[in-house]
Amino acid sequence: ETGVTQSPTHLIKTRGQQVTLRCSSQSGHNTVSWYQQALGQGPQFIFQYYREEENGRGNFPPRFSGLQFPNYSSELNVNALELDDSALYLCASSLDPGGQETQYFGPGTRLLVL
Amino acid sequence: GNSVTQMEGPVTLSEEAFLTINCTYTATGYPSLFWYVQYPGEGLQLLLKATKADDKGSNKGFEATYRKETTSFHLEKGSVQVSDSAVYFCALASYNQGGKLIFGQGTELSVKP
Repeated sequence: ETGVTQSPTHLIKTRGQQVTLRCSSQSGHNTVSWYQQALGQGPQFIFQYYREEENGRGNFPPRFSGLQFPNYSSELNVNALELDDSALYLCASSLDPGGQETQYFGPGTRLLVL
Repeated sequence: GNSVTQMEGPVTLSEEAFLTINCTYTATGYPSLFWYVQYPGEGLQLLLKATKADDKGSNKGFEATYRKETTSFHLEKGSVQVSDSAVYFCALASYNQGGKLIFGQGTELSVKP
């Protein structure tokens, strides 16, 4: 069974640019959640996708957007990058969006904004 | 709103010492509780979970009991190893919030030989 994978592993962008991060969910999982983890902090929930629809959003501005595809893989897009967007971006998949379901995390994409 | 508070680190222990990392939470309803571990340069791995009051989660010698009366989910291990050195995150998820995970700030554990 393949786990959650993310690409790219590292990325360097400049302020104002746009970035797309990708996530492949674990086999059989229909729910994908994205988190931002700043250095030395716990992950913060960005949003969740369930069967291609957004299913909850955290306190992030609209320039953070996402997609989920029919195969349940997902993208996170960030427009107009700011220096504070530098962080580890984590994707997690689960069997469904219920609170009891375990979320399985990928290795993350480390984004540096200069 | 829902929140998780962990004891601050870093925690430094000698090998074979007893470990406790405190975690308390604030939540409406009946959240599920989790401990995740993050090794340097990696993503998060589920360590254990509990989905209702008085449940005990356990894995790899780590244990935590869901205490509703004290709103706590403290992580314990009887004898730590150098390989346990990592950052530990306590988290909760509520079904009425779409299952999103709310994390504590993390506790760094360093185990010396």
